[in-house]
Amino acid sequence: DGGITQSPKYLFRKEGQNVTLSCEQNLNHDAMYWYRQDPGQGLRLIYYSQIVNDFQKGDIAEGYSVSREKKESFPLTVTSAQKNPTAFYLCASSIGTAGELFFGEGSRLTVL
Amino acid sequence: RKEVEQDPGPFNVPEGATVAFNCTYSNSASQSFFWYRQDCRKEPKLLMSVYSSGNEDGRFTAQLNRASQYISLLIRDSKLSDSATYLCVVNPRTGNQFYFGTGTSLTVIP
Repeated sequence: DGGITQSPKYLFRKEGQNVTLSCEQNLNHDAMYWYRQDPGQGLRLIYYSQIVNDFQKGDIAEGYSVSREKKESFPLTVTSAQKNPTAFYLCASSIGTAGELFFGEGSRLTVL
Repeated sequence: RKEVEQDPGPFNVPEGATVAFNCTYSNSASQSFFWYRQDCRKEPKLLMSVYSSGNEDGRFTAQLNRASQYISLLIRDSKLSDSATYLCVVNPRTGNQFYFGTGTSLTVIP
């Protein structure tokens, strides 16, 4: 079955550590996105990528980094520079500018 | 001004009731509109795309009003399983970004 796989589902991190969240899709979608959701709030865009080897900052990119070396993969690194990283992280993809978004199951990051 | 605005609710309705949500958007050139459903601690899932002529899927009806720049979702004969947060999503087709409302919380009460 086609879909988006995020891992890990749950992650605990000590302050000062970098962590990388994985996102893989087999939908053959060109565009991929990373969102952050905090309790009681809407989704906020961190980074997005329309094609391989290209990506753009979203509204809250500070403290995060991404890469897009393969069409299927769009990993997100939460760096120690991110001051409040505890959140629910959602990866999504779309076929292009017109289609709907498909989401992975999310990764829940907690900083101890 | 936010790109997309929704009434956060909560909406608490009895089973069998009809409930409607509205969502306004600021970019008059927006082209694609969607309603997503999000259950607690889960990912959003597409409920319906919203077409200019309006569309219906069972108990759910979505409408678009371009003149007033809002979309609506109507749920008829509410079920307990409809309890969730409903997200309005707009794609202006510029910059390939999607804009999300903060969501409207619905609880259907027995």
